[in-house]
This record gives sequence, C-alpha cells and structure tokens, in this order.
Amino acid sequence: EDQVTQSPEALRLQEGESSSLNCSYTVSGLRGLFWYRQDPGKGPEFLFTLYSAGEEKEKERLKATLTKKESFLHITAPKPEDSATYLCAVRGTGFQKLVFGTGTRLLVSP
Amino acid sequence: KAGVTQTPRYLIKTRGQQVTLSCSPISGHRSVSWYQQTPGQGLQFLFEYFSETQRNKGNFPGRFSGRQFSNSRSEMNVSTLELGDSALYLCASSLATPDRGNRFYGYTFGSGTRLTVV
Repeated sequence: EDQVTQSPEALRLQEGESSSLNCSYTVSGLRGLFWYRQDPGKGPEFLFTLYSAGEEKEKERLKATLTKKESFLHITAPKPEDSATYLCAVRGTGFQKLVFGTGTRLLVSP
Repeated sequence: KAGVTQTPRYLIKTRGQQVTLSCSPISGHRSVSWYQQTPGQGLQFLFEYFSETQRNKGNFPGRFSGRQFSNSRSEMNVSTLELGDSALYLCASSLATPDRGNRFYGYTFGSGTRLTVV
C-alpha cells in the first residue's frame, strides 16, 4: 500500500538557518510526488511536483529533490513568513488518491 | 483565474443532523476530490469524481456521500453527524484524466469548510 512518512514532525529554526525536511515514500508506480504548504485554517497551497528520481525544482528559498525512496525540501536562509506546515504527498498508478504524510510544522523565529 | 471555491467556510451542526458542502472547481478542471483533515489523522481521502462518475472512494462509512454535476461542481453530504466528523473538509480540483500512463498534474485545493459537530 502507498505510504508517506515525513520527518521531523516539527522544526524550529532561526531566521537564516538553513535546513531540510524529509519525505520517505513507498508507492506502486510513481505518478508524481507533491509538496504543499499549509497555513493554519487554510487549504494546502501547491509548491512543487516531482516525477522521477534525480529531478529538482526550485522556488525562491525552497528546493525540492527526489530519489527513488525519498524527497527532500531544502529551505535556504528561511524567513519568518516561511513558517507553515509542509505536506508531502504521492500518487501511484491507476486512478487513485493522493496519499499524504502527516506534515512537518516549521517555525522560523526572527 | 478563479481558484477552487468551497462553501460555506464554516458550519456548526448538531449530532444526528446532516450537512451538504459545495465545491466549485477551477474552470476547465474535470476531476474533483474531497479530503477530510483532522489533527490526529491528517489528510484522509474521501472520494474522487471525474465527469460525474465516482472513480475512487476512501475508507469512510456510507454516511459520507458525494456527487458531481455536469458543470464539474461537486457536493458532499454527511448524514447522521457524529462528534468525530468535526474536521476541515477540503475539495481539490485537477486537470487529471483517467490514468493512461500519463503524468498526474496535481491538485489545487480550496480553503476548506470547517465543520464543527456539537
């Protein structure tokens, strides 16, 4: 069965202190790995889609990478406005659902 | 381009009542999915619709049902509400078509409906 595990559950950083979030997954036939950002009381906001091992995507201070077993979301020199919950999800073959991890709560202090 | 619109944003219902939530997808998106989000379980898949047909259903009791209309708008219904149904219900739309080996382009989520059952 498709499964996603995210670590750490929570991460506290000082402004400017770079770090990485991990998403380990098992899926039958990857059709896409997705990173979302979610602010309290709001729906998930799309960040990146990755399709194959070795692929990388960047957006401002965020960079997502993908291997055959895991994905990393690297945050470079974070700012307080990067504080949010970051969700990872995968979709396998067939007309199936997105399977989400439980997320990493990131808090960036000034 | 308008995003995914969910109404209402907030609902308070009493145990035993029923509720209907509405979702208007992004124009041109034919696939609509529903997710339940709770602090303990995270995002759990409810159902997925494409061209008015339910394509997949999650592990939820029969009290949870949904439908999709010809204009791709979708509704979900929960009957005989229980306290445990309190959650953020999220709708997401996608350009996705029935999988034929193509990439899946992901979902755009709405802001959700916060349902509180008292």
